[in-house]
Amino acid sequence: DAKTTQPPSMDCAEGRAANLPCNHSTISGNEYVYWYRQIHSQGPQYIIHGLKNNETNEMASLIITEDRKSSTLILPHATLRDTAVYYCIVRVDKAAGNKLTFGGGTRVLVKP
Amino acid sequence: DADVTQTPRNRITKTGKRIMLECSQTKGHDRMYWYRQDPGLGLRLIYYSFDVKDINKGEISDGYSVSRQAQAKFSLSLESAIPNQTALYFCATSDLGSPYEQYFGPGTRLTVT
Repeated sequence: DAKTTQPPSMDCAEGRAANLPCNHSTISGNEYVYWYRQIHSQGPQYIIHGLKNNETNEMASLIITEDRKSSTLILPHATLRDTAVYYCIVRVDKAAGNKLTFGGGTRVLVKP
Repeated sequence: DADVTQTPRNRITKTGKRIMLECSQTKGHDRMYWYRQDPGLGLRLIYYSFDVKDINKGEISDGYSVSRQAQAKFSLSLESAIPNQTALYFCATSDLGSPYEQYFGPGTRLTVT
């Protein structure tokens, strides 16, 4: 399994960039890195994914190190609505219906 | 309008009752999923469907059944509800080409008394 390690929590100031790290040192060559978030009691929300190149979309940027052993999700201008638990996933179970397995995640609190 | 909708959003039912949770999507995705979420246990897959004629059990299918009425509709039934089925239920969809890019509904909070 390509397990992930994320800090359990972090605070961020509103309007500032939030940088969320994720370690995945056992990732295999064909595994993508996915990021999701879950705002309290809402459905998980897909954010972004990547293989080895940096990726950017309207929500965030994903920076993957050259050795692919870690990545950083960047929320460029955090807002209060970005308060959520953020999950980094590299373990996807192809034998079980594309099941997503969320680890502990990082609880991000955006403060005014 | 939301791309993935679930009804009802909240439901309280009694032990032994049959209940159906419904999911509709407008994303045009082929794949649909039902998950449940319990505190401290993360998401667990109940059933998944890769198209209308392809339905598969997930890791915790006992006590549940599903129906894929159309590409856009996927219903979950609890044949005889029991208290340990009290949970938050999510429907999700994904495209054939990006199966792990899943889009979730808002959830149904089910309480079985």
